[in-house]
Amino acid sequence: QLVLTQSPSASASLGASVKLTCTLSSGHSSYAIAWHQQQPEKGPRYLMKLNSDGSHSKGDGIPDRFSGSSSGAERYLTISSLQSEDEADYYCQTWGTNWVFGGGTKLTVL
Amino acid sequence: EVQLVESGGGLVQPGGSLRLSCAASGFTFSSYWMSWVRQAPGKGLEWVANIKQDGSEKYYVDSVKGRFTISRDNAKNSLYLQMNSLRAEDTAVYYCARGGRWLPFDYWGQGTLVTVSS
Repeated sequence: QLVLTQSPSASASLGASVKLTCTLSSGHSSYAIAWHQQQPEKGPRYLMKLNSDGSHSKGDGIPDRFSGSSSGAERYLTISSLQSEDEADYYCQTWGTNWVFGGGTKLTVL
Repeated sequence: EVQLVESGGGLVQPGGSLRLSCAASGFTFSSYWMSWVRQAPGKGLEWVANIKQDGSEKYYVDSVKGRFTISRDNAKNSLYLQMNSLRAEDTAVYYCARGGRWLPFDYWGQGTLVTVSS
């Protein structure tokens, strides 16, 4: 069964960088994922599609500060030059025959 | 500009029914799989159902099978979710999202709140 695992929380300082991780369960390391951002009291926003080789395609209007990378079963979202509005929940997601979300990571900008 | 606007949420008693709608604009609705995703209060996102462009394929999360029905009207650029036999655990904000079988959810609506309570 496909499971996406995310750390519940992360924090970083204003202006710094942070790397969030989404781990695919055993046997699913070739899967692409998507990253979504959900700011407080708002609907989710699509950030990017991230392939197993690290190539990614971002959604409309997503700043260059957001980037993705991959290593084995790990999928990463890196946010550089952190701003206050980046404080949000971040979810990874798969699609195809399994529509699964990770549990989300709550990012606090200090 | 792609827009997805949900409506139809509200307070309903356990065992009751509700029909959610999603009005789509800014893209060729009939060319995309569409989905419903929900979020219980204080919880994460959960995929609920999705539907193929022509309505010929539909998929549901196990917890709603037999109770919820997803449908669409391409002439009206609208997506629907008929929810019957509602339970307290169906209480959530329901989001309409573009995408499904072959693409991630790349656009989302603002959500509509469904509260199941007596």
